[in-house]
Amino acid sequence: SQTIHQWPATLVQPVGSPLSLECTVEGTSNPNLYWYRQAAGRGLQLLFYSVGIGQISSEVPQNLSASRPQDRQFILSSKKLLLSDSGFYLCAWSRGTLGEQYFGPGTRLTVT
Amino acid sequence: RKEVEQDPGPFNVPEGATVAFNCTYSNSASQSFFWYRQDCRKEPKLLMSVYSSGNEDGRFTAQLNRASQYISLLIRDSKLSDSATYLCAVWGNTDKLIFGTGTRLQVFP
Repeated sequence: SQTIHQWPATLVQPVGSPLSLECTVEGTSNPNLYWYRQAAGRGLQLLFYSVGIGQISSEVPQNLSASRPQDRQFILSSKKLLLSDSGFYLCAWSRGTLGEQYFGPGTRLTVT
Repeated sequence: RKEVEQDPGPFNVPEGATVAFNCTYSNSASQSFFWYRQDCRKEPKLLMSVYSSGNEDGRFTAQLNRASQYISLLIRDSKLSDSATYLCAVWGNTDKLIFGTGTRLQVFP
């Protein structure tokens, strides 16, 4: 069966510090991978998605970036965090398009 | 107009009640539809896919109305444990799954 991991579970970072969140998927190959952010009491905002190694599509211009160095690894980064980057970051995978997406447990980021 | 819209609720219902949520979508070319459940401070979890013919899973029934461009979720015999936020999601004709902002359900004793 497939499993998706995210870490860390929670993170408190000062404004201006760098960020690296990691997501890995087990039990499947060549998944589509997604990063979402959910601000408190708000809906899911798609940040990035990837349909293959090294391929990244960005949905929202911001100070975040994503990379996919391996087939089942997806990384979300920032060089300098802003207060507005606080939120619940969720990684998800799917088998191609049109199919169900499955979410990881998320990382709750607080920027202070 | 938002691509996917839901009534935010909350829907407050007693245990044992039947409750239904709708979700409207704007892209008539949309091809796949889903319902997710999200508990407070947790990730969304897939509840069920929505097929053209409608589908049922225990107390939950999902239906698609292409003519009016909405999907629905019916929960029968509500349990306290059904209290959560229910998100609908729609694949358009892109590589993206579009989520609604969710409908909150609170089941009380």
